[in-house]
Amino acid sequence: AQKITQTQPGMFVQEKEAVTLDCTYDTSDQSYGLFWYKQPSSGEMIFLIYQGSYDEQNATEGRYSLNFQKARKSANLVISASQLGDSAMYFCAMRDPWSSASKIIFGSGTRLSIRP
Amino acid sequence: DAGVTQSPTHLIKTRGQHVTLRCSPISGHKSVSWYQQVLGQGPQFIFQYYEKEERGRGNFPDRFSARQFPNYSSELNVNALLLGDSALYLCASSLAGNEQFFGPGTRLTVL
Repeated sequence: AQKITQTQPGMFVQEKEAVTLDCTYDTSDQSYGLFWYKQPSSGEMIFLIYQGSYDEQNATEGRYSLNFQKARKSANLVISASQLGDSAMYFCAMRDPWSSASKIIFGSGTRLSIRP
Repeated sequence: DAGVTQSPTHLIKTRGQHVTLRCSPISGHKSVSWYQQVLGQGPQFIFQYYEKEERGRGNFPDRFSARQFPNYSSELNVNALLLGDSALYLCASSLAGNEQFFGPGTRLTVL
């Protein structure tokens, strides 16, 4: 079965510092896609970044980059120069390749708090 | 362009009642998925509908049902509510099931 593991329930980071949020995944499929979402207290899930399993380069989107290590089955999110607005829940997710539906499997999340 | 919209924003029900949650996808999106997010956990997949047909269903009891209308909006229905149904219900739309865009959610409280 596909599984996403996020081992950091919460993190505190000083403003302007870089932060790495850990994510490991388990799948036997060769083709898969990994996502990171941000969920502020308002509840909406905001898409941040996507990495395909066959992508040769790590994905980047502005201050967000994904450190993809396929052999280790890890897909860590790196946020550079953190801002107060980055305080939120962050979820690592994977599309279930065995589902006929566009089913996304989410990890349990990491609560990131940025200190001024 | 308007994003995914959901109504109502908040809802309070009592055990045994029935609830209907509504979702309007982004214009042009034909796929709608529903997720349940219990406090402190990641979202769990409930249903996906594409072109008005059910594409997939998560591990939820038959008390949960959904449908998609010709304009691609969707309803999620939950019968015989239990305390454990209290959660944030998220709707996501996509063009053909790829990148999914989430709405703000409906927060359901069952007393």
